[in-house]
Amino acid sequence: KQEVTQIPAALSVPEGENLVLNCSFTDSAIYNLQWFRQDPGKGLTSLLLIQSSQREQTSGRLNASLDKSSGRSTLYIAASQPGDSATYLCAVSRDNYGQNFVFGPGTRLSVLP
Amino acid sequence: GAGVSQTPSNKVTEKGKYVELRCDPISGHTALYWYRQSLGQGPEFLIYFQGTGAADDSGLPNDRFFAVRPEGSVSTLKIQRTERGDSAVYLCASSSTGGGGGQFFGPGTRLTVL
Repeated sequence: KQEVTQIPAALSVPEGENLVLNCSFTDSAIYNLQWFRQDPGKGLTSLLLIQSSQREQTSGRLNASLDKSSGRSTLYIAASQPGDSATYLCAVSRDNYGQNFVFGPGTRLSVLP
Repeated sequence: GAGVSQTPSNKVTEKGKYVELRCDPISGHTALYWYRQSLGQGPEFLIYFQGTGAADDSGLPNDRFFAVRPEGSVSTLKIQRTERGDSAVYLCASSSTGGGGGQFFGPGTRLTVL
């Protein structure tokens, strides 16, 4: 059974810092991995999608890497801003057909002005 | 529409009542997913539709939960004899294929069972 963990559970940093969020999964036979952002009381916003054949994806100040063999992904946020404050969730596909994500519990990020 | 929509945004009901939650996916998306999210946790998979049929309903917690997608577009999640433990945010997502292109989520329905 696939299990996803995220470290740290919560993180508070001053504005301008670069930071790394970690995601680990127990079964390396994944189809893809997706990072999401969730603001309080809101739905999930997709940030980056990495296919299992890829090693990283970049969008603006965000960079996500994937090491499938070791069961790890990192989300790097450069030059953090107060508007980045949210919960960040990673999710891996349940099987090789790319269906039904298994989510981690999230990292709650606070960027202080 | 431009994104996934869900109605109602909030639903308060009494224990034992029946509720229906609606999801309107992105136009053209053949795959639709329901998840449940409890406070402080990541979403948990409930059921996945490919077209009109439920391809995987292994996440439904018990037979009080049922979902339909009769025309391959809008889906309704139905909960019978609601219990206080059913209180959560119910999220719907859709994708253009089997999920390989990533999933797009709606804002969720917050269900509170008193």
